[in-house]
Amino acid sequence: NAGVMQNPRHLVRRRGQEARLRCSPMKGHSHVYWYRQLPEEGLKFMVYLQKENIIDESGMPKERFSAEFPKEGPSILRIQQVVRGDSAAYFCASSPQTSGRAGEQYFGPGTRLTVT
Amino acid sequence: DQQVKQNSPSLSVQEGRISILNCDYTNSMFDYFLWYKKYPAEGPTFLISISSIKDKNEDGRFTVFLNKSAKHLSLHIVPSQPGDSAVYFCAASENNNDMRFGAGTRLTVKP
Repeated sequence: NAGVMQNPRHLVRRRGQEARLRCSPMKGHSHVYWYRQLPEEGLKFMVYLQKENIIDESGMPKERFSAEFPKEGPSILRIQQVVRGDSAAYFCASSPQTSGRAGEQYFGPGTRLTVT
Repeated sequence: DQQVKQNSPSLSVQEGRISILNCDYTNSMFDYFLWYKKYPAEGPTFLISISSIKDKNEDGRFTVFLNKSAKHLSLHIVPSQPGDSAVYFCAASENNNDMRFGAGTRLTVKP
């Protein structure tokens, strides 16, 4: 059973470009969470999704950021018109339906976004 | 708004000794606490958790202690092993809502 997969592992974008980060949850998991880790800081919650639904996006910046988890395919975190401050490690986690939002989450290896 | 704080960015311990990682929180409504371990270039992995109705939970070499009155929890690793060297994140949640993470403590266990 493969773990949570994220790609790409490293992504370099110039200011103003778009960044697309993908996350495939563990098999059987229907809940996906995105976190951002800035240098020297902990993980910050961004968004919580279930299949085809955004449940909680209270941690997402109001502009330029969006997320989706379609019926088929991976979850996508999209950042439009990236700025240098978007440089961070972005982690995706998944959990089974029964674990609750605060239950044990399984994390992917992360995508390190660098904006030049 | 840093609701979960890990004030020690790093800790160095000799192999075989006890490692104690500390975590403080400000939200008295938190009712579930977790510790995650993270190796370089990998995502965090769940280590151990504790509900606010308990004050101790033990799993092998790992024990988490919760002091609700002090809003403090700690992770004890004994005996420490070089493979325990990693960054440890404390996390907390309220009423099954989203987790809030601390900034992490980098543990180095020297052989």
